Amino acid sequence: NAGVMQNPRHLVRRRGQEARLRCSPMKGHSHVYWYRQLPEEGLKFMVYLQKENIIDESGMPKERFSAEFPKEGPSILRIQQVVRGDSAAYFCASSPLQVSTYEQYFGPGTRLTVT
Amino acid sequence: AQTVTQSQPEMSVQEAETVTLSCTYDTSESNYYLFWYKQPPSRQMILVIRQEAYKQQNATENRFSVNFQKAAKSFSLKISDSQLGDTAMYFCAFMKHVSSGDKLTFGTGTRLAVRP
Repeated sequence: NAGVMQNPRHLVRRRGQEARLRCSPMKGHSHVYWYRQLPEEGLKFMVYLQKENIIDESGMPKERFSAEFPKEGPSILRIQQVVRGDSAAYFCASSPLQVSTYEQYFGPGTRLTVT
Repeated sequence: AQTVTQSQPEMSVQEAETVTLSCTYDTSESNYYLFWYKQPPSRQMILVIRQEAYKQQNATENRFSVNFQKAAKSFSLKISDSQLGDTAMYFCAFMKHVSSGDKLTFGTGTRLAVRP
């Protein structure tokens, strides 16, 4: 069973460009979480999605950031008009519909660098 | 809102020795989950151990065990027989007990170095 996949692993964008980060959850998982890790800091929650629904976006910046998890295909975290402060590692995690263990399985992360 | 505090930014231990990493949390919830995650230099987040708040018995996973003190809101991680591969950042995390799942709230991490 393949783990959580994220791509790209590294992404370089110039200020003002758009960044699209993709996350494919583990097979059978219908919950997706996005976290951001700034340099030398812990992970901070951004958004929690189920298929076609945003459940909790309390950690998302109000502007420029959006997320989706369509019925088909990966979850996408989109950052418009990137700024240097967006440089960070972005992690996706997934969990199954039956959350009996409450474990979230993490992907390898996407490291975004804004130049 | 929940908060998780890790007061030890860095720790060091000799190979084969035992080390304890501290974690405290603040919540008004009565039912929740606590986790320790390991992040090696590869940056992959790896679950080390999990504790359900309703369980009084401390969780153990091979060389890893926790000391869960619910009243004190303390959740420390003990690593026995430390190995070089244990060198990593360790994050303590909290999750509310919600039937449909919930977000993790992480501490700021403890960087552990295992010396040969």
